Amino acid sequence: QSALTQPASVSGSPGQSITISCTGTSSDVGAYNYVSWYQEHPGKAPKVMIYDVSNRPSGVSSRFSGSKSGNTASLTISGLQAEDEADYYCSSYTNTNTLVFGGGTKLTVL
Amino acid sequence: QVHLMQSGAEVKKPGASVKVPCKASGYTLISYGMHWLRQAPGHSLEWMGWINPGNGDTKYSQKFHDRVTITSDISVNTAYMELSGLKSEDTAIYFCARGLWFGDLRYWGQGTLITVFS
Repeated sequence: QSALTQPASVSGSPGQSITISCTGTSSDVGAYNYVSWYQEHPGKAPKVMIYDVSNRPSGVSSRFSGSKSGNTASLTISGLQAEDEADYYCSSYTNTNTLVFGGGTKLTVL
Repeated sequence: QVHLMQSGAEVKKPGASVKVPCKASGYTLISYGMHWLRQAPGHSLEWMGWINPGNGDTKYSQKFHDRVTITSDISVNTAYMELSGLKSEDTAIYFCARGLWFGDLRYWGQGTLITVFS
């Protein structure tokens, strides 16, 4: 199973919105509504921000939202804040009953 | 509250094996699956496999399937990941994460650094 494709980096100014894409195939992202997004700060364990494509766990800011179209999922962060600066990873369930992750995207808040 | 406690960092020689425990507290192990992932320095998260502690069913990534074994001991509410035939490329932080079979890894251990060094 090949890794999902994410941009290596994105950036935005405080208050702006950014979107991170996650492209898979019809065997993973396109086949199931089981896409999750994780935020990872340096030296910390990852934290789930979005699950099942567009659901937010309790405690996650409503500034984070997720969507999917075909084989591509997206994470949008609105009203960027300094603390959003982190690495973001998408993951998807696959048709071989495994999970696959993206290569990660480094978000820089300018 | 849910907490996953992993063991401390280890240094291993090439060819050795390592077994990393992940002790769950705040819930009963059999209630959720346990996934194992790793992250090499400067690299992405990599899924290794998972176990359903309720029935012992496991599923492994094709990349690791012949070297990794994931087990659980419900008497001590602990899951384990054993990786054999260690190589320098296995140097990474290994994480356990509670989740359902399709993902949604809601709770994570703090990670265990395994360094493979001769």
